[in-house]
Amino acid sequence: GQNIDQPTEMTATEGAIVQINCTYQTSGFNGLFWYQQHAGEAPTFLSYNVLDGLEEKGRFSSFLSRSKGYSYLLLKELQMKDSASYLCAVVDSNYQLIWGAGTKLIIKP
Amino acid sequence: ETGVTQTPRHLVMGMTNKKSLKCEQHLGHNAMYWYKQSAKKPLELMFVYSLEERVENNSVPSRFSPECPNSSHLFLHLHTLQPEDSALYLCASSQDPGNYNEQFFGPGTRLTVL
Repeated sequence: GQNIDQPTEMTATEGAIVQINCTYQTSGFNGLFWYQQHAGEAPTFLSYNVLDGLEEKGRFSSFLSRSKGYSYLLLKELQMKDSASYLCAVVDSNYQLIWGAGTKLIIKP
Repeated sequence: ETGVTQTPRHLVMGMTNKKSLKCEQHLGHNAMYWYKQSAKKPLELMFVYSLEERVENNSVPSRFSPECPNSSHLFLHLHTLQPEDSALYLCASSQDPGNYNEQFFGPGTRLTVL
């Protein structure tokens, strides 16, 4: 079967760095998405990785290793507004989007 | 504001009621989606429409009935729902139906079935 694993919940301190991991077992791979979802709001796109390596976008970076079936989202200089759920989703060989259950990130002052 | 709106934002209904969820996208996209989001579970894709034609239906019970009258509007008609159908229903759109495209989500309708 196809599976996306993410930690259910993480806690970090304002100003710090946090890494949210996502591991996947899918039938093929055609890219990986990260979305951010604040409570009661729409998920919004953060990043899309299809090649190995790190892509940086301001305070957020996303890393992909296809050989390891692994990605992480790195958030730097954490702010209270970063408290949200972070959803990992993989596009499989049939171009189906497989979603993880999301990681709830709690930022403490 | 993502360019995708949903109404109502909250809905409480009995198991014998009939109601409809509405989604509208203002982005000129060609594909629209309905998802179900339950607590601590992955997003479940329910329906996909491309240019008003249903291209995917993931074994969704017939008590959920989608309608796409044009490329900007999508409805989800609900009837004789069960309490386990209580969830957040998200609408999304993308430029094309290929899943390598970024999807733009609406804020969702929080549905409670009594």
